[in-house]
Amino acid sequence: DTGVSQDPRHKITKRGQNVTFRCDPISEHNRLYWYRQTLGQGPEFLTYFQNEAQLEKSRLLSDRFSAERPKGSFSTLEIQRTEQGDSAMYLCASSLESLWGGYEQFFGPGTRLTVL
Amino acid sequence: DAKTTQPTSMDCAEGRAANLPCNHSTISGNEYVYWYRQIHSQGPQYIIHGLKNNETNEMASLIITEDRKSSTLILPHATLRDTAVYYCIVPGQKLVFGTGTRLLVSP
Repeated sequence: DTGVSQDPRHKITKRGQNVTFRCDPISEHNRLYWYRQTLGQGPEFLTYFQNEAQLEKSRLLSDRFSAERPKGSFSTLEIQRTEQGDSAMYLCASSLESLWGGYEQFFGPGTRLTVL
Repeated sequence: DAKTTQPTSMDCAEGRAANLPCNHSTISGNEYVYWYRQIHSQGPQYIIHGLKNNETNEMASLIITEDRKSSTLILPHATLRDTAVYYCIVPGQKLVFGTGTRLLVSP
């Protein structure tokens, strides 16, 4: 399978614990995005990387959230001191930068986080 | 980002064409219209995009009005597997998903 993969698919944690999610993009894609989706809403942009550089972060990304893409390949999203409001689906997407700023992104299956 | 307006939900009979409208009256001249869909419990899937000309691919057709203020996504022969939420997006700096149109294809 050469699509975007995410691990784990499901995570249940207790409030106050730290969690880390991993995303493996399509291998030749230089852009990687993180989104969050709550029930009944569309995905909301969190942050994106071009290669290893984090170029934009949403206001949704509080200081408890940190994302990395150390070698420009896979990425991790860590949430520290989780809160019940962090319960959501966390989606990763990747794309290949194009001169015209194309927005054809390929999404992974997501990681569903439940904070008890 | 140009705002888009879509109906909350639509129904379609299996085998019939599904026509999903989208209004984007504030679109600027160089902004594209993108369509994604999200099947239950899956990540969004890119369908098609266009600037001013009508576009067609193996999944759908996109009809953009001449003034570019609205567009229609057409699934020519809807199947049960096309039941999903369909998002019409006019990206500025990034994709901004609204709540989309929930399409239910019934037998």
